[in-house]
Amino acid sequence: GAVVSQHPSRVICKSGTSVKIECRSLDFQATTMFWYRQFPKKSLMLMATSNEGSKATYEQGVEKDKFLINHASLTLSTLTVTSAHPEDSSFYICSARAGLGWGYTFGSGTRLTVV
Amino acid sequence: AQKVTQAQTEISVVEKEDVTLDCVYETRDTTYYLFWYKQPPSGELVFLIRRNSFDEQNEISGRYSWNFQKSTSSFNFTITASQVVDSAVYFCALELGGANNLFFGTGTRLTVIP
Repeated sequence: GAVVSQHPSRVICKSGTSVKIECRSLDFQATTMFWYRQFPKKSLMLMATSNEGSKATYEQGVEKDKFLINHASLTLSTLTVTSAHPEDSSFYICSARAGLGWGYTFGSGTRLTVV
Repeated sequence: AQKVTQAQTEISVVEKEDVTLDCVYETRDTTYYLFWYKQPPSGELVFLIRRNSFDEQNEISGRYSWNFQKSTSSFNFTITASQVVDSAVYFCALELGGANNLFFGTGTRLTVIP
């Protein structure tokens, strides 16, 4: 079945530094990748949608300069949290699909803690 | 506008009991897809089922079953003979036909007590 690998699973960083999270589709080509944020005991909030080779489309209220998304290949998308602050601490999870009509495969998530 | 409502925030059952998780959706589209995902404590989302709006047949997969009723805009999920390993947060989600994103409900946290 389709597998999406997300790394790291946990990261602790100092306030003001940047953190990169990788999302890879291992056995399929992901034309679209999605990045979600999940607060404790809350639902998944879509942050942005990225199509390979194009700029990401950000949801309203999500700062594109703070959450940099790159989808340079059909198997890799990255989310960089720039100048991280404690309020950015959250669970980030990616999803990928091969195209319209295909299913969504989720990564295992990254727990980011900014101290 | 589209919306997915999971009114049950938390449910606790004793092992071997049956439990039904409710999902009510709203959309004006006639073509759409409904999903259920399981999120265990480890965090990943595990796909359980995808159902299109034209297929109202109920589905059974082992201890899991789903009841799709367009008349009430519901897509409920039942676990029979629950087990401790079923403890997780369960999300219902909606995808509109031709769209490229999912609308998630707020999730139901199921705790199965041994």
